[in-house]
Amino acid sequence: AQSVTQPDIHITVSEGASLELRCNYSYGATPYLFWYVQSPGQGLQLLLKYFSGDTLVQGIKGFEAEFKRSQSSFNLRKPSVHWSDAAEYFCAVGAFSGGYQKVTFGTGTKLQVIP
Amino acid sequence: GAVVSQHPSWVICKSGTSVKIECRSLDFQATTMFWYRQFPKQSLMLMATSNEGSKATYEQGVEKDKFLINHASLTLSTLTVTSAHPEDSSFYICSARLAGYTGELFFGEGSRLTVL
Repeated sequence: AQSVTQPDIHITVSEGASLELRCNYSYGATPYLFWYVQSPGQGLQLLLKYFSGDTLVQGIKGFEAEFKRSQSSFNLRKPSVHWSDAAEYFCAVGAFSGGYQKVTFGTGTKLQVIP
Repeated sequence: GAVVSQHPSWVICKSGTSVKIECRSLDFQATTMFWYRQFPKQSLMLMATSNEGSKATYEQGVEKDKFLINHASLTLSTLTVTSAHPEDSSFYICSARLAGYTGELFFGEGSRLTVL
């Protein structure tokens, strides 16, 4: 079964600074990988996804992520953080299990942005 | 992008009553919908996978008789929390996958259930 680890529960960065959120996955084959963002009390919005091809994926709101098979990682990056980026970020892996695709989420990383 | 709508956003009920939460895909057909439960400051836990026209597949540890899931059409899935108790209070989120499309899920806004 697949699993996702987000080692950082809480990260604080200054506005304008760069950001990297870590994500490691465990799956026997090439997974489908996602990053979602959740604002308080709301559902999830997809930032970006990786299925195949170019391992550097561009997403919305200036985010990007790089798939590194050798490290089983899919870290999320942004060169310059804005105050509006403060939210919770979830990494997820999709894999086929029991005949259908199941998406498993990491525990999330809460991002705080300070002026 | 595709839109998934949940209703109600907030619901408060008395212990012992049943509550129904609807999940609709507004501009696409979803053969598969997923129901998640999110505890405060925690990740999303998959409860069940709902396939249109067939019985839902529940994750281990989720009570089928407690959380009734119906996927009557390609645009609607419902979650009914039967005989709700305070420990059922949580944030429930549904998601839908585009028919014939691999991987990407679109999420509803979530439904906050409080059982008194």
